[in-house]
Amino acid sequence: AQSVTQLGSHVSVSEGALVLLRCNYSSSVPPYLFWYVQYPNQGLQLLLKYTSAATLVKGINGFEAEFKKSETSFHLTKPSAHMSDAAEYFCAVSDHPDFGNEKLTFGTGTRLTIIP
Amino acid sequence: EPEVTQTPSHQVTQMGQEVILRCVPISNHLYFYWYRQILGQKVEFLVSFYNNEISEKSEIFDDQFSVERPDGSNFTLKIRSTKLEDSAMYFCASSGSFGQGSTGANVLTFGAGSRLTVL
Repeated sequence: AQSVTQLGSHVSVSEGALVLLRCNYSSSVPPYLFWYVQYPNQGLQLLLKYTSAATLVKGINGFEAEFKKSETSFHLTKPSAHMSDAAEYFCAVSDHPDFGNEKLTFGTGTRLTIIP
Repeated sequence: EPEVTQTPSHQVTQMGQEVILRCVPISNHLYFYWYRQILGQKVEFLVSFYNNEISEKSEIFDDQFSVERPDGSNFTLKIRSTKLEDSAMYFCASSGSFGQGSTGANVLTFGAGSRLTVL
């Protein structure tokens, strides 16, 4: 079974500072990897996805993530944090990279706090 | 932008009662899912549904759970006899537009969730 581990349940950064949220995966096959964000009282919104194309993936709101097979990592970064980035971030891996039936396995989430 | 809507946003029920959580997926999507998140824990897959039948379910999805697409727009999760441990946020999701290419992963669109509290 595939899994993801998110290091750090809470991360605080100052506004304008680098955001780094860590995710490591475990997979016996080439994984499909995702980052989702959840703002208060909202659903899970896709930030970006890795599907075996380019290893550096750019997403919405200035976020990007790099797939590193040697490190089994898919860390999420943003060069300069904004107050609006405060949210819960979830890394996820897909067990079934086929059309349809995307069974996602999520990490435990990282709550990002931005310090003014 | 199309969205998945869920009702109710919060439901409180007594242990042993039946609960129905409702979802309206994106209209041209073909695949429907329920996930749940117990407070402080991971978001967990419950079930996927395609072509009016369950395509996959997790071990969490036991006989007390059922899903249904009673009409062309709603997708429901029924919990027959709720237990304390069913208290969680339940997320509905949909994916897969008709005619969408099969390259790459299929992206799920999630609803805002229904918080179920069992007393």
